[in-house]
This record gives sequence, structure tokens and C-alpha cells, in this order.
Amino acid sequence: SYDLTQAPSVSVSPGQTATITCSGNKLGDKYASWYQQQSGQSPVLVIYEDNKRPSGIPERFSGSNSGNTATLTISGTQAMDEADYYCQAWDGDTAFFGGGTKLTVL
Amino acid sequence: EVQLVESGGGLVQPGGSLRLSCAASGFTFDDYAIHWVRQVPGRGLEWVSGISWNGRSAHFQASVQGRFSISRDNGKNSLYLQMHGLRPEDTALYYCVKDTRSTVTIRNGFDMWGQGTMVTVSS
Repeated sequence: SYDLTQAPSVSVSPGQTATITCSGNKLGDKYASWYQQQSGQSPVLVIYEDNKRPSGIPERFSGSNSGNTATLTISGTQAMDEADYYCQAWDGDTAFFGGGTKLTVL
Repeated sequence: EVQLVESGGGLVQPGGSLRLSCAASGFTFDDYAIHWVRQVPGRGLEWVSGISWNGRSAHFQASVQGRFSISRDNGKNSLYLQMHGLRPEDTALYYCVKDTRSTVTIRNGFDMWGQGTMVTVSS
């Protein structure tokens, strides 16, 4: 088993930068993906391979991964960004998700 | 439009079996690995199983290994999850999920999700 740890909640004011972290043993040697799940909806991929944005994902979403920590950064956070965010990585041929971080835009 | 539509969920007794299906459309199905990911309502995501583009490579989470099998029919653009020996802890919403690549690698992400089908294991 491979543990990915996320803070349960993060709060940010509109227009500010939100930082959501994901910790795992030597996570920087792997690739991290990030998913946004809004209430009652299916997850949406927002970052893959550490820092790549799928088409249609706003530029305000960015990612990095080094050491034991992957980071999702949302610049100029908007009210619509309020959601649960999950990190994900592969360990061997098994995928693991973090427990999720609830982002509140106050 | 890329679409993944799951079906086959329902209520089953502990120890029972169930077969989930996923119908894909809007993309070249046999170019991509496909997975099942589950989520207990109100809880986090848990990867269950994935299969390569040609069906020759399948992978499972440890807790379902030996009880679940995964298969695909590229001619029908369909994915299946056969579940045996179901346990109450298998109760969850099961999502069919498209991979960014054709085979499982450490780079892979999940770039399209269905709406899910609910599996409830209870007596």
C-alpha cells in the first residue's frame, strides 16, 4: 500500500492563491495527478504528469512535484473552484488516491 | 462527445456476484486503458482495477484481487467488471474511467469519468 496524505480542508479568499498539498514517500519520483470533484458530480482531471493541464482546464490551475510533496496551486481562485480535490499517483501497477482536500472559497 | 455510461449496479447479498458494464462513445476506445474507480458516498476515491487497450494486461487493488475480474470488448466499445464474493465494504459508487494512455504506466491519469453505478452489498 502507498499512502498519500492531504489536509482535510483549505480555505481561501476569492482572487487569492490556493495551495493544496499531497504527501507521500518519495512522491517526487513518481507522477502526480489532481482531480476536482464538485458536489454531486463526477471527478474531473485538472493536472496530470505533475504539471500538465488537460484541454479546457483554466491556466490558473498548476502543479508541481518534488521530494515527498506534490502541490496543486490555484491562482486567482474563483467561487466556482470550491470543490474537493484529490491527488493520485501510481506505485507499481496500483493507483492510489489521497484522502481529498475540501477547498472552501470564503 | 466523450461518454462513459455505467450499468449493472444494484443490491446484492454478501457473498453474491454482480457484473458491471460500461459503454463508451466519442473516442477511439481501443486506444486507451480503462479503469474502475469506486467511491463510498461522502468519502474518498479508491482505484479498483484497470485494463490495457488490448485487454492483455489487467491490474487490481489488493482488496479485490481474486474476487473481481475485468475485461473489455473493443468491438462493442465496452468494459466489464465481474465481481464475486461481494462484501459490505465493496458498497460504493463505481465509476468507469478513461486513461490518458493505452497501458498502465506511472504517468497515467484518468481524464474522463462516467456518472457511476451504485453497488450495495447488504443482507
